[in-house]
Amino acid sequence: RKEVEQDPGPFNVPEGATVAFNCTYSNSASQSFFWYRQDCRKEPKLLMSVYSSGNEDGRFTAQLNRASQYISLLIRDSKLSDSATYLCVVNVGGGGNKLTFGTGTQLKVEL
Amino acid sequence: EAQVTQNPRYLITVTGKKLTVTCSQNMNHEYMSWYRQDPGLGLRQIYYSMNVEVTDKGDVPEGYKVSRKEKRNFPLILESPSPNQTSLYFCASKMRAANSPLHFGNGTRLTVT
Repeated sequence: RKEVEQDPGPFNVPEGATVAFNCTYSNSASQSFFWYRQDCRKEPKLLMSVYSSGNEDGRFTAQLNRASQYISLLIRDSKLSDSATYLCVVNVGGGGNKLTFGTGTQLKVEL
Repeated sequence: EAQVTQNPRYLITVTGKKLTVTCSQNMNHEYMSWYRQDPGLGLRQIYYSMNVEVTDKGDVPEGYKVSRKEKRNFPLILESPSPNQTSLYFCASKMRAANSPLHFGNGTRLTVT
């Protein structure tokens, strides 16, 4: 089993739709979690950190479920500009500060 | 402006010709790391450094070297590049704390023929 798994997609959704992605992780000792956005052939950019109680930033909501070992990203009112690949990143932490990336979920928002 | 700077952006070379990709950050971050990204495989860690003169292997270190003589710089060295090292490379840095996020450079696209 991979350490961090994501559905690669693509998810094709109409503009204005709500879409959700999940990311599962295998190491129960994982300490911190992030969602990154990556546009084609460009560097990943931090979208949001994921906090234990869940957090929201505008149209984006992130949740953490430690019991089932997954994080989720919800995008409301999708825009064309949301089209990108969304990467989840898990940090097992400790002295090694090991960060593991999912392979990404591709989102395409269409008119 | 806080940033991670990689150079060059694009590099085409031949098998066996030593090359260095530079990476510099101006955020006083302790942690720096190199990744390669290949289709279907995602981002894989090559080497990382927790501080000056401290470097460790990531998941795919074979064929690469790094050094961390100064806090701000973390060059990636390919002593004898091979075609299977053709990839998109990213340098990244962060503060030491586990909950601090990574900041990425804008990437180096390397082609080895």
